[in-house]
Amino acid sequence: KQEVTQIPAALSVPEGENLVLNCSFTDSAIYNLQWFRQDPGKGLTSLLLIQSSQREQTSGRLNASLDKSSGRSTLYIAASQPGDSATYLCATTNTGNQFYFGTGTSLTVIP
Amino acid sequence: GAVVSQHPSRVICKSGTSVKIECRSLDFQATTMFWYRQFPKQSLMLMATSNEGSKATYEQGVEKDKFLINHASLTLSTLTVTSAHPEDSSFYICSAHLPGSGNTIYFGEGSWLTVV
Repeated sequence: KQEVTQIPAALSVPEGENLVLNCSFTDSAIYNLQWFRQDPGKGLTSLLLIQSSQREQTSGRLNASLDKSSGRSTLYIAASQPGDSATYLCATTNTGNQFYFGTGTSLTVIP
Repeated sequence: GAVVSQHPSRVICKSGTSVKIECRSLDFQATTMFWYRQFPKQSLMLMATSNEGSKATYEQGVEKDKFLINHASLTLSTLTVTSAHPEDSSFYICSAHLPGSGNTIYFGEGSWLTVV
């Protein structure tokens, strides 16, 4: 069964810093990998989706990379802002469209 | 706008009662929906796969008789937590696969259940 791990569990940075969130997974036979944002008391917001054949995806200040062979993905956030404070989840999907989520990284950006 | 709607977004119920959570696909028909739950400081875990017109497939460790899933139509799946206990308090979220899209999946907004 797929196991997804995220490091660090929590991260606190001053505003303006660039940061990297890490995600690793045990089964490289994924269909795609997705990064989500979860605000307290709210649902999930999809940030970036990387297909298994892709190496990276970019959206604004966010860049996600995927190295399927090594079972790793990173989410790079440039010029962090207080509004970026949230929990970030990565998840892999298999061909059955089931998601396997990581434990999340709780990010706090200090003004 | 939201293509998968979940209701209620928050619910508080008394211990021993049952509560139903609805997941609707708004602009498409979803033959398959998924239910997840998330306990505090833990990751989202798949509970079951809901198949329209047939019985749901439950993940290991999820009690079928406690978490009743009904997928009676192509746009609606419901999760009923029966005889709820405080330890059932959790974040429940559904997702639906958009047919013909390859692997586009939409998530509902999630439902926060508190059992008192």
